[in-house]
Amino acid sequence: QVQLVESGGGVVQPGGSLRLSCAASGFSFSLYGMHWVRQAPGKGLEWVAFIAFYGSNEDYADSVKGRFTISRDNSKYTLFLQMNSLRAEDTAVYYCAKRLKLGTDAFDVWGLGTVVTVSS
Amino acid sequence: EIVLTQSPASLSVSPGDRATLSCRASQSISSNLAWYQQKPGQAPRLLIYGASTRATGIPPTFSGSGSGTEFTLTISSLQSEDSAHYYCQQYNNWPRTFGQGTKVEIK
Repeated sequence: QVQLVESGGGVVQPGGSLRLSCAASGFSFSLYGMHWVRQAPGKGLEWVAFIAFYGSNEDYADSVKGRFTISRDNSKYTLFLQMNSLRAEDTAVYYCAKRLKLGTDAFDVWGLGTVVTVSS
Repeated sequence: EIVLTQSPASLSVSPGDRATLSCRASQSISSNLAWYQQKPGQAPRLLIYGASTRATGIPPTFSGSGSGTEFTLTISSLQSEDSAHYYCQQYNNWPRTFGQGTKVEIK
């Protein structure tokens, strides 16, 4: 079935780095734009980053621009989020999500999330 | 950045009653709005896209309406399993943004 599985979360000190991965299965990964969305403890949803299906078009929330980099390996059906210069306010559950279709950026498939904690 | 304001912040409804959730955009977003349901400890689930189109597998008890800046999610005949947070999200402009959510509780 269609599935997204995130990994790579953990506890990191402020200023540190983490690389999240999202393994996709059950659909033609290379045909869909992909997103990262996060949710701080007890808070709402915050969109983080997007990458087009072909990989060369990206966009970021202002809160992470210059610190986070989204990328993908279509041959391995995997999405990545490289997170550098981490701050306490980056603490959240990070979800990868699939774009419904070109021109419709509703997120129809979500992973279960991976927890990132930034703390000294 | 487009700001989405959801109201009310929370709602308590009796089983079988109707719930009406509102989402207001700070500028026109045409019909480029989605609604999600999120239960505790779970990932969000897409309910509605294009302001009024139900996603695959979503029952007709969920309906969406609106365009421009005013949108509504209606849950008719609420059941206990509908207790959750509900979020709207716009995809008309970058960055994509979410509303702050409405918590629906069943009395």
